[in-house]
Amino acid sequence: GENVEQHPSTLSVQEGDSAVIKCTYSDSASNYFPWYKQELGKRPQLIIDIRSNVGEKKDQRIAVTLNKTAKHFSLHITETQPEDSAVYFCAAPSPGTYKYIFGTGTRLKVLA
Amino acid sequence: KAGVTQTPRYLIKTRGQQVTLSCSPISGHRSVSWYQQTPGQGLQFLFEYFSETQRNKGNFPGRFSGRQFSNSRSEMNVSTLELGDSALYLCASSLFYGAEYNEQFFGPGTRLTVL
Repeated sequence: GENVEQHPSTLSVQEGDSAVIKCTYSDSASNYFPWYKQELGKRPQLIIDIRSNVGEKKDQRIAVTLNKTAKHFSLHITETQPEDSAVYFCAAPSPGTYKYIFGTGTRLKVLA
Repeated sequence: KAGVTQTPRYLIKTRGQQVTLSCSPISGHRSVSWYQQTPGQGLQFLFEYFSETQRNKGNFPGRFSGRQFSNSRSEMNVSTLELGDSALYLCASSLFYGAEYNEQFFGPGTRLTVL
């Protein structure tokens, strides 16, 4: 089955700097890679996703890149702001069953 | 449209007891998945229900079970609670089953503490 590894587990950046979170997956048949953001005490929410037919997708300050050959995808946040502080989860639906396999999460702290 | 709701929001139980958690999906969503969230372990998949049938199951012992009703509401049950079952239990609803591009909409979770 699918396995997803996420790094780093914690990340501290200065406000205005960029943050990058990386995930690797095991099943080369996976085609969809969403990212969820969970603010403290709140529910996870989808912030961006990418399908395997594109290599990059952007939405304002956030972007996701996908390298199918290396089986990894990354979340990029530019010009970080205090409200970006949260736990970020990557995920990959397991091919065939489509059950979501989540990474272990990255706690991002944006220091003012 | 109302979001996913979960009840209760907080529970305190003792070892050996059992507990039932409830999840009401977004109206029109027929798939409900359950996850266990613990620090350091992320979101671990428990099971998924669609049309009142369990479609997928994670790697949890048989003490964890669930069901789905005809109105798509779902419950999960944990019997013979252990200290390690203390966690945030999240349910998520989605429109489809068996589709890759199937956004999961999460509820606020039920915080279970086992003493």
